[in-house]
Amino acid sequence: AQSVTQLDSQVPVFEEAPVELRCNYSSSVSVYLFWYVQYPNQGLQLLLKYLSGSTLVKGINGFEAEFNKSQTSFHLRKPSVHISDTAEYFCAVRGDSWGKLQFGAGTQVVVTP
Amino acid sequence: DAGVTQSPTHLIKTRGQQVTLRCSPKSGHDTVSWYQQALGQGPQFIFQYYEEEERQRGNFPDRFSGHQFPNYSSELNVNALLLGDSALYLCASRAGGSHEQYFGPGTRLTVT
Repeated sequence: AQSVTQLDSQVPVFEEAPVELRCNYSSSVSVYLFWYVQYPNQGLQLLLKYLSGSTLVKGINGFEAEFNKSQTSFHLRKPSVHISDTAEYFCAVRGDSWGKLQFGAGTQVVVTP
Repeated sequence: DAGVTQSPTHLIKTRGQQVTLRCSPKSGHDTVSWYQQALGQGPQFIFQYYEEEERQRGNFPDRFSGHQFPNYSSELNVNALLLGDSALYLCASRAGGSHEQYFGPGTRLTVT
């Protein structure tokens, strides 16, 4: 079975400052890892994914994440945030061949001027 | 190319009623999954359909059932609605061999 823990429920950040959202997972098998963003009253949009290969993954909108197998982490970063990055961010793990995603509880990012 | 579409957008039902939610997958996608997202929580996997059969199921009671049609569209049915069924219901689709799931905008169900 897999589980995902997002260590921060809310992260306030000033515009143009960096942000890091923390995600830890547990799994007994090889995993695929994902970060999704959810804007108010919308569905989920894929930011980036780790399937294999390079542990540093680059995604859309300037986001990147680093897979750390020894620490079972997949933290999301952005060097300079914009007001438009205000949203809920979800870390998810897929540990089986069928495609079921296990999501964390989410991290609300609030960007202020 | 239309993405994943869901209908209706919003729905209000009374406790004990039944509801049907609909999903059309992204073009070229044959696998559809449904998720329930309660307020302030992450999405929870309900079930997945492929080739018109339920292939995988999460920890949801039998009141939750589904169907996939030959054109890959899908329905989620919930019987005997409870107040706790109030949530955003998300549909996601993917092509069979792909790791990426594309989500629809969701259906907001309110049970009163």
